[in-house]
Amino acid sequence: AQKITQTQPGMFVQEKEAVTLDCTYDTSDQSYGLFWYKQPSSGEMIFLIYQGSYDEQNATEGRYSLNFQKARKSANLVISASQLGDSAMYFCAMRGTGSGNTPLVFGKGTRLSVIA
Amino acid sequence: NAGVTQTPKFQVLKTGQSMTLQCAQDMNHEYMSWYRQDPGMGLRLIHYSVGAGITDQGEVPNGYNVSRSTTEDFPLRLLSAAPSQTSVYFCASSYLPYRGAGYTFGSGTRLTVV
Repeated sequence: AQKITQTQPGMFVQEKEAVTLDCTYDTSDQSYGLFWYKQPSSGEMIFLIYQGSYDEQNATEGRYSLNFQKARKSANLVISASQLGDSAMYFCAMRGTGSGNTPLVFGKGTRLSVIA
Repeated sequence: NAGVTQTPKFQVLKTGQSMTLQCAQDMNHEYMSWYRQDPGMGLRLIHYSVGAGITDQGEVPNGYNVSRSTTEDFPLRLLSAAPSQTSVYFCASSYLPYRGAGYTFGSGTRLTVV
């Protein structure tokens, strides 16, 4: 079974500062993918960034980067230069990417509030 | 536009009523799934399907039925609505994991059972 743990129910960050959202995972799969999604108050699920378990480099997408530490089973999201529009719920998720048909499993989320 | 279409966007039901939430995708994805989102609980998997005619239960399947007669459609049926089923429901689709891990989500259905 796969499990995602997000230990920060809520976070505050000053505008233009960087913030790290924590995510740890547990899986017995050798091949898996890790995701971060953003959910603004409008409710849609917005894909931010993906990291494969065999990727050697940490994933980056604009102001988002994923700090992947495989041995520690952590996949923290780093948002640089926070903006007011970054205020939202953030979900970490994972799924196996091998021959099994494992579904996407989510953590409980972190609510980020950006302060002007 | 290619994507996942969910209908309706909002629904109010009385306890004991039945209804079907519709989900359709046009990306030829094999994999489709239904999640419910409740405050503080993240998204929890209800049912999923890896192809037409094949479905399986997720973490919270009780009170829900699914079927997959075509690749495109994956409806979720509430047999006898209960207040505990008040939630936001998301449908999502993807290729089978070995072909690519990414999911595409619908815009959600907000269901209230009174």
